[in-house]
Amino acid sequence: DQQVKQNSPSLSVQEGRISILNCDYTNSMFDYFLWYKKYPAEGPTFLISISSIKDKNEDGRFTVFLNKSAKHLSLHIVPSQPGDSAVYFCAASALGGSEKLVFGKGTKLTVNP
Amino acid sequence: KAGVTQTPRYLIKTRGQQVTLSCSPISGHRSVSWYQQTPGQGLQFLFEYFSETQRNKGNFPGRFSGRQFSNSRSEMNVSTLELGDSALYLCASSSDRGGWTQYFGPGTRLTVL
Repeated sequence: DQQVKQNSPSLSVQEGRISILNCDYTNSMFDYFLWYKKYPAEGPTFLISISSIKDKNEDGRFTVFLNKSAKHLSLHIVPSQPGDSAVYFCAASALGGSEKLVFGKGTKLTVNP
Repeated sequence: KAGVTQTPRYLIKTRGQQVTLSCSPISGHRSVSWYQQTPGQGLQFLFEYFSETQRNKGNFPGRFSGRQFSNSRSEMNVSTLELGDSALYLCASSSDRGGWTQYFGPGTRLTVL
């Protein structure tokens, strides 16, 4: 039973355009959500997080949106750069993030110059 | 601050052997979590230690065990290795002060022959 789903295995965008990565979850107990970026043979790098008390959080070019009623979150990257090419994982946790992280399968983003 | 470090980075073992992986968390972080990443299953939670006590455990067999020392460093042990244990093992640390965001190390790539 996959509690966190990233339905798009891959996404390709042009440099300078917006990248939108999507994530759905099923567990209503999740109240803390994170996005990680991962290069091959490296550990995931934390990008941005959002608590369920918010619906938007911004950090530079990265914005995460949370729609609790739809159990859906998205990561927007504007503008996209070739260095953003990586696998992006959505993760969720309960109890304010103190519980284990449950990861989606990841979306491979390719930003073309 | 130094990031999460893991040793060794690469390991080759044969079936039936056992292995111990080590993780040093970010200074001041008392929580250490372990994850297994495989192509088929993605990132799966193994267990979490906080102040030398196992706080959470994933759905892995008893061959997988861990411990945490008083300086928050953690070790993970896998006994009677199987071919299916070949994976990237990731350690993440987090702080109970100011949020629980987990920061990952580079991982240990274990190959079982």
